[in-house]
Amino acid sequence: DAGITQSPRHKVTETGTPVTLRCHQTENHRYMYWYRQDPGHGLRLIHYSYGVKDTDKGEVSDGYSVSRSKTEDFLLTLESATSSQTSVYFCAISDPGLAGYNEQFFGPGTRLTVL
Amino acid sequence: ILNVEQSPQSLHVQEGDSTNFTCSFPSSNFYALHWYRWETAKSPEALFVMTLNGDEKKKGRISATLNTKEGYSYLYIKGSQPEDSATYLCAPSGGSNYKLTFGKGTLLTVNP
Repeated sequence: DAGITQSPRHKVTETGTPVTLRCHQTENHRYMYWYRQDPGHGLRLIHYSYGVKDTDKGEVSDGYSVSRSKTEDFLLTLESATSSQTSVYFCAISDPGLAGYNEQFFGPGTRLTVL
Repeated sequence: ILNVEQSPQSLHVQEGDSTNFTCSFPSSNFYALHWYRWETAKSPEALFVMTLNGDEKKKGRISATLNTKEGYSYLYIKGSQPEDSATYLCAPSGGSNYKLTFGKGTLLTVNP
């Protein structure tokens, strides 16, 4: 298995509080992604990173920000959590230079509940 | 955002049945098509990546075909087993190599 960890694995928070989720990899892969999984929607891309300090928005980026100050860490921040952000969040990594076709490897997920 | 359709949404089969499901995607600007297997309470795991029209991939009892001209891929499972129960996701990448657009998946349940 690819060396990807996510922390925390579970979190319950209240509306309006800031929340930061961490994704850590030991594979030295260039690309990192944050997805959310919701019933009826599958996996949707929030933000992704193609290198240290290089990030871009995905299809559902409103209300989220990211940072990548080191190759191994990709942080997802909810500045002011809302109930609509209750979801399971998955981090993924890839390195097209190695695999050629951008096979993505997923972390174990973080279940976030916003009350 | 690519329009990716998977059908059926869910499928119940008996152990030993063979089954197949479909992924449809825009044929223009195609780069690659990925299939993932996603068991409940786990993370998605890559099954296949396919790039060429007419590609066929096989892993054990699972195989996949690709038609890039018409924009579809089929996933086949021969002799389904209860451990095949999972959601099967397809994800094309179009134009760029680094972003995948996931379909909503086909949930397969194999009854013993």
